[in-house]
Amino acid sequence: SYELTQPPSVSVTPGQTARITCSGERLERKNVAWYQQKPGQSPVLVIYYDNKRPSKIPEQFSGSNSGGTASLTISWTQDMDEAEYFCQAWDTSTASVIFGRGTKLTVL
Amino acid sequence: QVTLKESGPVLVKPTETLTLTCLVSGFSLSNARMGVSWIRQPPGKALEWLAHIFSNDEKSYNTSLKSRLTISKDTSKSQVVLTMTNVDPVDTATYYCARMFSNNYVPDFFDYWGQGTLVTVSS
Repeated sequence: SYELTQPPSVSVTPGQTARITCSGERLERKNVAWYQQKPGQSPVLVIYYDNKRPSKIPEQFSGSNSGGTASLTISWTQDMDEAEYFCQAWDTSTASVIFGRGTKLTVL
Repeated sequence: QVTLKESGPVLVKPTETLTLTCLVSGFSLSNARMGVSWIRQPPGKALEWLAHIFSNDEKSYNTSLKSRLTISKDTSKSQVVLTMTNVDPVDTATYYCARMFSNNYVPDFFDYWGQGTLVTVSS
């Protein structure tokens, strides 16, 4: 079955850039979305179609997808960005939604 | 304004059948670009996709849970229902319904989520 691999945790100091990766076989051929989830809240879409931002998401969030790895980049990281981040794609071969296991972003 | 709201039992006994309902508003379940999925999240763990229903009533299921799941919709009532048979304590989780935007019937991303409902499986 198709899998998306994320690092369990990423740490960053305030004001710095955080990068969270998501890898999968031939992932560059799929559309990747990213979700932010804070404790006790529902996930929120922050990136879709690899690098598109919903209108309410600040421009500090950006995405890319090439060479089997998708990345979520958070520039000028703030305390409020501390959350769990999940990547997601659709696997056509199994007609299934696939989620990564999530990356906890800690702002030190 | 698009909203999704889950409802169902808070507590279910092992071996029973769990039935969850997602009431949507702000869009139609017959919209070709919209589908609805159920996703769950055990406490402190990752998101797990369960099932999806397309606007044309086609369904997709998590292969490992397929034998236990049934998803259906009532477009006139704006409801999507998920049933899970033979529940076990490991099924304890927050269950979310979410709207999925699709392009040419290829599901792409979840743009709206419900608030989730915590279901505990215990005797």
